[in-house]
Amino acid sequence: GQSLEQPSEVTAVEGAIVQINCTYQTSGFYGLSWYQQHDGGAPTFLSYNALDGLEETGRFSSFLSRSDSYGYLLLQELQMKDSASYFCAVRTGGGNKLTFGTGTQLKVEL
Amino acid sequence: DTEVTQTPKHLVMGMTNKKSLKCEQHMGHRAMYWYKQKAKKPPELMFVYSYEKLSINESVPSRFSPECPNSSLLNLHLHALQPEDSALYLCASSPLGKGTEAFFGQGTRLTVV
Repeated sequence: GQSLEQPSEVTAVEGAIVQINCTYQTSGFYGLSWYQQHDGGAPTFLSYNALDGLEETGRFSSFLSRSDSYGYLLLQELQMKDSASYFCAVRTGGGNKLTFGTGTQLKVEL
Repeated sequence: DTEVTQTPKHLVMGMTNKKSLKCEQHMGHRAMYWYKQKAKKPPELMFVYSYEKLSINESVPSRFSPECPNSSLLNLHLHALQPEDSALYLCASSPLGKGTEAFFGQGTRLTVV
């Protein structure tokens, strides 16, 4: 089976930096993605890591360590609009199976 | 056009009804997905279609029947559902490949009464 574990909830203040961790156990691992979902909305893609290291996209960065089966999403200069649920996700099954982690609800406060 | 369109947005159905959810994309993606999402939970994969053929069925009960009539359309036929099937049903599409971004529709909020 597969499992992807995340903290259930993280709270931070506007302007701060927050890190959301993801540990996974899976077979046939191709890479780790991150998705954001606002209440009542659709998940939207944020980033993808296939290799070890850091990927930066604007205020968001994502890190992967394949040897540790671990990744994280780093959000900088937090804004109120970043309050949402964040999911890590893995592609397996030849790349066509996308499985989501348990999800982290981020609350950004003033 | 980077949109995945799902209809209807909301659906209330009785346990003896038959209904269908529809999903459409015009991005040329050859992988399409159905997910089920309960409140405060992650999307849970149900089915994957690759090149209009069912490639993954995550042991979904037969009261859910997917169909992919062509490369742009994906349907989910519902019959004899249970109240516990009430959830948000999300459709997604992506190019085939290992690191590709999946695009999600806004979902159909289904209530079974």
